[in-house]
Amino acid sequence: ILNVEQSPQSLHVQEGDSTNFTCSFPSSNFYALHWYRWETAKSPEALFVMTLNGDEKKKGRISATLNTKEGYSYLYIKGSQPEDSATYLCAFSNYGGSQGNLIFGKGTKLSVKP
Amino acid sequence: DAMVIQNPRYQVTQFGKPVTLSCSQTLNHNVMYWYQQKSSQAPKLLFHYYDKDFNNEADTPDNFQSRRPNTSFCFLDIRSPGLGDAAMYLCATSDSLTYEQYFGPGTRLTVT
Repeated sequence: ILNVEQSPQSLHVQEGDSTNFTCSFPSSNFYALHWYRWETAKSPEALFVMTLNGDEKKKGRISATLNTKEGYSYLYIKGSQPEDSATYLCAFSNYGGSQGNLIFGKGTKLSVKP
Repeated sequence: DAMVIQNPRYQVTQFGKPVTLSCSQTLNHNVMYWYQQKSSQAPKLLFHYYDKDFNNEADTPDNFQSRRPNTSFCFLDIRSPGLGDAAMYLCATSDSLTYEQYFGPGTRLTVT
């Protein structure tokens, strides 16, 4: 059974704090690792798709790293803002072709206090 | 803006009463997915369509079925909802070339 684990489950930080979350996934037959941000009452929004070991991606104050050999990815948020409050989901896929099945973690719920 | 739309956003149904959730997309993607997310759980894939080809996950209950009458629309039918089927149902689409998935806002189903 393929399992994706995310930690912590929830996080409360003050505005301006930097924070990071972890996603661990099976390292065999790796294809891609996805990070999504899901704000309440909105659609999950894709942040990053990462495919290569050692990949680092950045979008504004948010960045992510990938280690496919040991099966983990980190998501970093620098200088958290209240609008960063959301659930951050990671998802792993282990093959391409015509399937592209995503296996999700339970998410990390981030609350940023002004 | 191109998008994935789900209707309704909130659905209440009675135990055993069939219910249909709908998803439409303006992205012209050929793959459409249905996920179920129960409280505090990870979203779990129920099935997906690759064009007209239906792909059911092995552990998806028979109570759940899907229809895709055309590229733009996909429906999730729950024949006899049980209390355990209360969940958020997410629809997603992807282009078979990239497999990045684009999600709708979900339908939250309550079973009374």
